[in-house]
Formats: sequence, C-alpha cells, structure tokens
Amino acid sequence: NAGVMQNPRHLVRRRGQEARLRCSPMKGHSHVYWYRQLPEEGLKFMVYLQKENIIDESGMPKERFSAEFPKEGPSILRIQQVVRGDSAAYFCASSPSADTQYFGPGTRLTVL
Amino acid sequence: RKEVEQDPGPFNVPEGATVAFNCTYSNSASQSFFWYRQDCRKEPKLLMSVYSSGNEDGRFTAQLNRASQYISLLIRDSKLSDSATYLCVVREGTGTASKLTFGTGTRLQVTL
Repeated sequence: NAGVMQNPRHLVRRRGQEARLRCSPMKGHSHVYWYRQLPEEGLKFMVYLQKENIIDESGMPKERFSAEFPKEGPSILRIQQVVRGDSAAYFCASSPSADTQYFGPGTRLTVL
Repeated sequence: RKEVEQDPGPFNVPEGATVAFNCTYSNSASQSFFWYRQDCRKEPKLLMSVYSSGNEDGRFTAQLNRASQYISLLIRDSKLSDSATYLCVVREGTGTASKLTFGTGTRLQVTL
C-alpha cells in the first residue's frame, strides 16, 4: 500500500508565478489535510478537505491560496502570484476517517 | 500564548541516557494528543498517541495530565537513531474539528 504521495518534491517559482502542489492520499483515504512549515517553525494547519468538499479552511490565507479535492485525481493546493514569504515546505496528510493522519514527503517551494 | 508550547532544545545527550520532553497546551477542549517525530527535511511521522492513563511503547513512555494541560515524553536508553525533532501535537476534536495543532518541536541530538 503506497503511502501519501506528493509532487513535485521541489518546486522553484519566480515572484508572481503560480504554484500547483499535488497530493495523492493513501488508498482508501478520503480525508486530506494541508499543512505549511516555514523555516525553523512548526507545522501550521491550512485546510481540510473530503472528496469534493472543503470542510475547514480556517488556516488558509484569504487571498491567492485555494485548494480542491476532486472526485477523481489528487488534491491540489494552488498558490497564485507567489511571493518570497510563500517559500516553505507544504505537507499533505490523509486519513481514512477523521482519525490518525499520515503525512506525505512534502513539497519544498522556493520563490526567487 | 502559543496553542502548543515546547522547549525547543536542543537536548544533547549521550547514548544510553534517559531524556524527557515536556509540552503544554492552551485549549482545554482538546481531545486527542500525540507525539510525532520529524527528521531533518522529512515529513512528521507518528511516534505514539498519548492517553490519560499513560502509555508505553518499548523505550518510549508518554503521559498526559489533563488538569495541568501537560504532556510528556520519556525516552530511555537513547540511541543515535533517536536524534530528531519531537513534535507535540494536539487535536481539538473529531469530524470538522480534526485538524492537528503542532508545537514547534524539541530537537534531540544523541551522541556517542
């Protein structure tokens, strides 16, 4: 059973470009969570999704950030018009129910 | 006040030593508690859940004091491979309140 998969593992963008981060949950998991870890800081919750629904987006910045988890395919975290402060590691986690969360390897975003 | 507070360390201990980490949380409504381990530039991995009755997994013992809102992790007979950052993690509830709140982590370095 493959674990949570994230791609790309590393992403470099220039200021103003768009970043798309993908997360494929573990097989059988319908709950997906996105977290951000800034350098030297702890993980911060961003958004919680179930298939086709956003359940909790209380940690998402109000502008430029969006997330989806379509019926088919991976969950996508989209950052428009990236700025240097968006540089961070973005981790996705999945769970079969609202229970133990298993983390993917993360996407390290660098904004030049 | 941070929602989950930990001593950042680092804790430098020799192999074979016993080391204890402490954590406090601010939300008295929190229902679930965990210790995660994060290696440098890797994803967090669940080490163990924490229960009021205390629980042990090999060399690792976790304790929860709900009255004091305090969580601890004890590692006995430290190994070099225990070197990592240990994250104290709290969850408020289940269902729509299932996001995880992370402490900033305590770094452990075990030396020969």
